[in-house]
Amino acid sequence: DVKVTQSSRYLVKRTGEKVFLECVQDMDHENMFWYRQDPGLGLRLIYFSYDVKMKEKGDIPEGYSVSREKKERFSLILESASTNQTSMYLCASRTRNVFGGRDTDTQYFGPGTRLTVL
Amino acid sequence: AQSVSQHNHHVILSEAASLELGCNYSYGGTVNLFWYVQYPGQHLQLLLKYFSGDPLVKGIKGFEAEFIKSKFSFNLRKPSVQWSDTAEYFCAVNAAGGGADGLTFGKGTHLIIQP
Repeated sequence: DVKVTQSSRYLVKRTGEKVFLECVQDMDHENMFWYRQDPGLGLRLIYFSYDVKMKEKGDIPEGYSVSREKKERFSLILESASTNQTSMYLCASRTRNVFGGRDTDTQYFGPGTRLTVL
Repeated sequence: AQSVSQHNHHVILSEAASLELGCNYSYGGTVNLFWYVQYPGQHLQLLLKYFSGDPLVKGIKGFEAEFIKSKFSFNLRKPSVQWSDTAEYFCAVNAAGGGADGLTFGKGTHLIIQP
């Protein structure tokens, strides 16, 4: 079974702090993703990574950065946390398996980190 | 860019009732389609997915979904719900074509099954 783990289930930080959210997957997946989940808004993509040292902005990258130094680890960084970044953060991973020109593999999600910024 | 619309934000049903959750997407090209479920306190997990072939897709726990290309829809169905189906359900799409794009999710439907 694919396992995606996130470093903390709950995190409380103060406004202006630098925050690191860590995600590790154990299936040698190339692609990794960070989403935030907010009530009534669903999940929105923050950043994703095709492979080691590669990163791409998602739909809502402002206020965030990422780091992918090793294949299994994808970090989300809040350079200066703000109260509007209080949210549930979900990490996901996926392997590249293209069949007939279509990427057929599923994203596997971690348990999430509920971040509160005071 | 893709977008996904889920018709109902909250649905309350009694056990044994039939379920249909609506999902429409907008995108000009070929898409992959997914339904995910999040049970209270648990990970987001895949219910079913459609990439190609038979537009009627069967998933886990008795769920199925039908892709109707002409209507840009991918509605989720279950003939008889159980109390344990209480959860949040998300429809999601991504553009087909071999890329590593993330998923675009709908806003979710909170389903409550009353015993």
